[in-house]
Amino acid sequence: QKEVEQNSGPLSVPEGAIASLNCTYSDRGSQSFFWYRQYSGKSPELIMFIYSNGDKEDGRFTAQLNKASQYVSLLIRDSQPSDSATYLCAVIVTGGGNKLTFGTGTQLKVEL
Amino acid sequence: AAGVIQSPRHLIKEKRETATLKCYPIPRHDTVYWYQQGPGQDPQFLISFYEKMQSDKGSIPDRFSAQQFSDYHSELNMSSLELGDSALYFCASRTGTSGPQETQYFGPGTRLLVL
Repeated sequence: QKEVEQNSGPLSVPEGAIASLNCTYSDRGSQSFFWYRQYSGKSPELIMFIYSNGDKEDGRFTAQLNKASQYVSLLIRDSQPSDSATYLCAVIVTGGGNKLTFGTGTQLKVEL
Repeated sequence: AAGVIQSPRHLIKEKRETATLKCYPIPRHDTVYWYQQGPGQDPQFLISFYEKMQSDKGSIPDRFSAQQFSDYHSELNMSSLELGDSALYFCASRTGTSGPQETQYFGPGTRLLVL
């Protein structure tokens, strides 16, 4: 079992809709959670980070963390075609040297 | 704002050759991470350095070595290259003083193709 699991997709949503991306992790010692966006052939770009249970909003993006369920999600409101990319969930585990452990990513397609 | 710089951006090598990838972190960042991303794969952690010392080691082959220099730039040396080494290699940097919350910023990557 991978330490960080994501549905690979593709997840297709119409323009203007809400895209919901989900991620589960196996290590209860995980303490920091990140969402990166990656366009094909490009480097990961940080979208959001979250450390505490609950919701964190930044513009059109909302990250949600539930440590009891070992679940983190990313909501994208008013999805735009430019949001079409692969979204990588990444986790830092306590005692893991602060390296990022990534999920395999969810490919999001926002259709006109 | 200054970003992480990686060079070269593209590299083509033959099997069994050597390659050196360079990473220049964001100014005042003292921690560097190297990740390898194969086609269709997620980035995999290779190795990290904090204040010029190796701080963590991941799935880095013995054929690879790395170091961080006094100016905090880092180099990843790859020898006896294999076809399977073809991948995107990312360097990320952060400050090492703020604990796990501090964000890692990724460079543009080096695309290595081994023929």
